Amino acid sequence: EVQLVQSGAEVKKPGESLKISCKGSGYSFTSYWIVWVRQMPGKGLEWMGIIYPGDSDTRYSPSFQGQVIISADKSISTAYLQWSSLKASDTAMYYCARHIANIGSDYWGQGTLVTVSS
Amino acid sequence: DIQMTQSPSSLSTSVGDRVTITCRASQSISSYLNWYQQKPGKAPKLLIYAASSLQSGVPSRFSGSGSGTDFTLTISSLQPEDFATYYCQQSFTTVTFGQGTKVEIK
Repeated sequence: EVQLVQSGAEVKKPGESLKISCKGSGYSFTSYWIVWVRQMPGKGLEWMGIIYPGDSDTRYSPSFQGQVIISADKSISTAYLQWSSLKASDTAMYYCARHIANIGSDYWGQGTLVTVSS
Repeated sequence: DIQMTQSPSSLSTSVGDRVTITCRASQSISSYLNWYQQKPGKAPKLLIYAASSLQSGVPSRFSGSGSGTDFTLTISSLQPEDFATYYCQQSFTTVTFGQGTKVEIK
């Protein structure tokens, strides 16, 4: 069974760093892209970036380039999304999903809620 | 980035109605268009991929059509469990989502 399991909810202060994770199982982790998606409270889905764990090829949405870092450790089938200095506006639900161009994002993680508040 | 424009942004409808949602791409994306359903507090669920292919397990009342820049999601007879927000997504170059269409009970 294909599964993507994300790390738990986080509460952080502005300026703090954070790294959240997305662990894949039940499929060849190195053969599919992983996409990260932000959903701010009451808003739509925003593509942040995408990584191919097989060779770590990474692409970022222009809206998020320089704001986050996406990485993957294929040895443990885990992708990461990290911030070096959080802002209140980073408060959102973050989803990872398995992605392939001709099929779309077919399996999703359960989401990680990040709350940034002083 | 390729821009995706969905319409309408919301619609009020009744059980049994036929519902049509459209999505337009800012440039041709061939058939690299996918549709998702999202219910409150849940992750999105893939309904249609490659413009018109039904994802496994998705009811046949959902269908998709289109190619190039203009696409449509149709729900032939709306069921109570279909009240949700629907998003289109292009996967021709990386990924972009439409802004969503909220389907509400009239």
